[in-house]
Amino acid sequence: AQKVTQAQTEISVVEKEDVTLDCVYETRDTTYYLFWYKQPPSGELVFLIRRNSFDEQNEISGRYSWNFQKSTSSFNFTITASQVVDSAVYFCALSEAGRGDYKLSFGAGTTVTVRA
Amino acid sequence: DAGITQSPRHKVTETGTPVTLRCHQTENHRYMYWYRQDPGHGLRLIHYSYGVKDTDKGEVSDGYSVSRSKTEDFLLTLESATSSQTSVYFCAISESDGRDTQYFGPGTRLTVL
Repeated sequence: AQKVTQAQTEISVVEKEDVTLDCVYETRDTTYYLFWYKQPPSGELVFLIRRNSFDEQNEISGRYSWNFQKSTSSFNFTITASQVVDSAVYFCALSEAGRGDYKLSFGAGTTVTVRA
Repeated sequence: DAGITQSPRHKVTETGTPVTLRCHQTENHRYMYWYRQDPGHGLRLIHYSYGVKDTDKGEVSDGYSVSRSKTEDFLLTLESATSSQTSVYFCAISESDGRDTQYFGPGTRLTVL
């Protein structure tokens, strides 16, 4: 079963528009960790944020913000006033205890294209 | 940036040949991972290591083996490459287990003809 679902395969916006990427996860653990990574066209994977299950505070970092809601098992990511440099594939990931080894499960990714 | 290198960065090989990919880190992190990235699947864990000579399987380990004889090096071997192993392979490191942030290497693009 898919543990992390990113229902949006592709999103295309015009520069300066806001864009929200959805991430829904599935776990039975009470302690787990959520991550977002960015993969620009150059191919490297860039860490954006890590959040544990006990911290439901929303976070803002510049134009990026994250909304964590345990009630709906979602960890959504918003880019405000998007720029062309935000064009990338964004991955949501879940780390849960499982067998005790906290393996990371990735969603399939959402491709964001920001047009000038 | 985390000091992680992968070699080679690109490789084309033929079905049935053995292939070894190398991941090298300068961070002295305990955990190292190998993932493959395929369209529509995100990244999937192949194998990981939690110390020298300590390794375990991930979700897509069939056809792959790994070795870690030094803290800084983690090798991924395809004993007999198949076309289904054509993929981009990423190495990652973390200080502790999956609760910790994983930092990724630049990736290796492998094509099996």
